[in-house]
Amino acid sequence: AQKVTQAQTEISVVEKEDVTLDCVYETRDTTYYLFWYKQPPSGELVFLIRRNSFDEQNEISGRYSWNFQKSTSSFNFTITASQVVDSAVYFCALSGNNAGNMLTFGGGTRLMVKP
Amino acid sequence: DAGVIQSPRHEVTEMGQEVTLRCKPISGHNSLFWYRQTMMRGLELLIYFNNNVPIDDSGMPEDRFSAKMPNASFSTLKIQPSEPRDSAVYFCASSLGQGWYNEQFFGPGTRLTVL
Repeated sequence: AQKVTQAQTEISVVEKEDVTLDCVYETRDTTYYLFWYKQPPSGELVFLIRRNSFDEQNEISGRYSWNFQKSTSSFNFTITASQVVDSAVYFCALSGNNAGNMLTFGGGTRLMVKP
Repeated sequence: DAGVIQSPRHEVTEMGQEVTLRCKPISGHNSLFWYRQTMMRGLELLIYFNNNVPIDDSGMPEDRFSAKMPNASFSTLKIQPSEPRDSAVYFCASSLGQGWYNEQFFGPGTRLTVL
């Protein structure tokens, strides 16, 4: 069975602050992929990143960075110098080689960035 | 490029009525997924298709729900008869290939309200 836990249900920061969204996962699969999606107030789910279980290199894309640590089963997401437009619900998700095409989502973290 | 298209965007109906939600996946994608999002249960996978064939429908709540994919560019999710507890946002997503490692691209969702 797969499980994704996002312990932070809501985070509130002031613009320009850095913020880290936590994601912890459980899987018995030997090969798996981790994903982050963003759901802005408009409601659609936007794909942000995919990371496979064999690649533990951190990734940076502009103000976004991701830290994958297999030893702690975590795939955390950091937004540097947050902006009001970053306000959204962020979902971490997991797909494993024995789970077919099924994505298991975490419960989401609602990020509110105040001006 | 056109993304995943869903219609209608909003649907309000009365208990007992039939509801049909529609989805057009991204051209060339051969996996299609139906999800339901509620505050209580988060994002749940209802069913997914690969090459128009239903692969896993274990998430379909009950016999009132049915899904079809008559061709590669169209899928429907039908609820008959609808009940107030079916009120949710229903998302359709598609991905390239049948790999569990491929990212899924989501449509804008259909917000269903059953009175």
